Amino acid sequence: SQTIHQWPATLVQPVGSPLSLECTVEGTSNPNLYWYRQAAGRGLQLLFYSVGIGQISSEVPQNLSASRPQDRQFILSSKKLLLSDSGFYLCALNRAYNEQFFGPGTRLTVL
Amino acid sequence: GESVGLHLPTLSVQEGDNSIINCAYSNSASDYFIWYKQESGKGPQFIIDIRSNMDKRQGQRVTVLLNKTVKHLSLQIAATQPGDSAVYFCADLSGGYQKVTFGTGTKLQVIP
Repeated sequence: SQTIHQWPATLVQPVGSPLSLECTVEGTSNPNLYWYRQAAGRGLQLLFYSVGIGQISSEVPQNLSASRPQDRQFILSSKKLLLSDSGFYLCALNRAYNEQFFGPGTRLTVL
Repeated sequence: GESVGLHLPTLSVQEGDNSIINCAYSNSASDYFIWYKQESGKGPQFIIDIRSNMDKRQGQRVTVLLNKTVKHLSLQIAATQPGDSAVYFCADLSGGYQKVTFGTGTKLQVIP
């Protein structure tokens, strides 16, 4: 069965600091991978998706970037965090054509 | 742009009663409509989906109804239990790469 690991689980960072969130998956090969952000009390916004190593598509212009250095690794980064980057970041993979399977998430607070 | 949205932000239901969570959508080209459940502090969990050419689909204690005429989707939970307390999102699948568009969510509160 598939498993998604995300770390760290929680993170508090000052404005202007860099960011690196990591997502690794197990139990699958060549999955589509996705990064979502969820603001407090809101829905999920798709940030990036990747269909393979080195292939990144951005859904919204923002202060963040993503990379996929390995088939089962997906990284979300920022050079300088903004207050508006605070949120719950979720990594997901496509478990079936119509089903996305989500990881446990990273809660980021930018102060 | 296209969106999937919900009518009510919060729904309170007595334990044992049936719950109905509603959703309006605007993208007529969606292939699938999907319901997710998100418990506090966790990632969303797939509950059930319905293909756009269907009107009804049943799962364990859940039923999803799709009315394409009025672009309306609902999730019915039978005999609601305390463990059903969560935020429920409707979502749609359209376009390539299995991208899912989520609505804003409805919080279901089960009263013991």
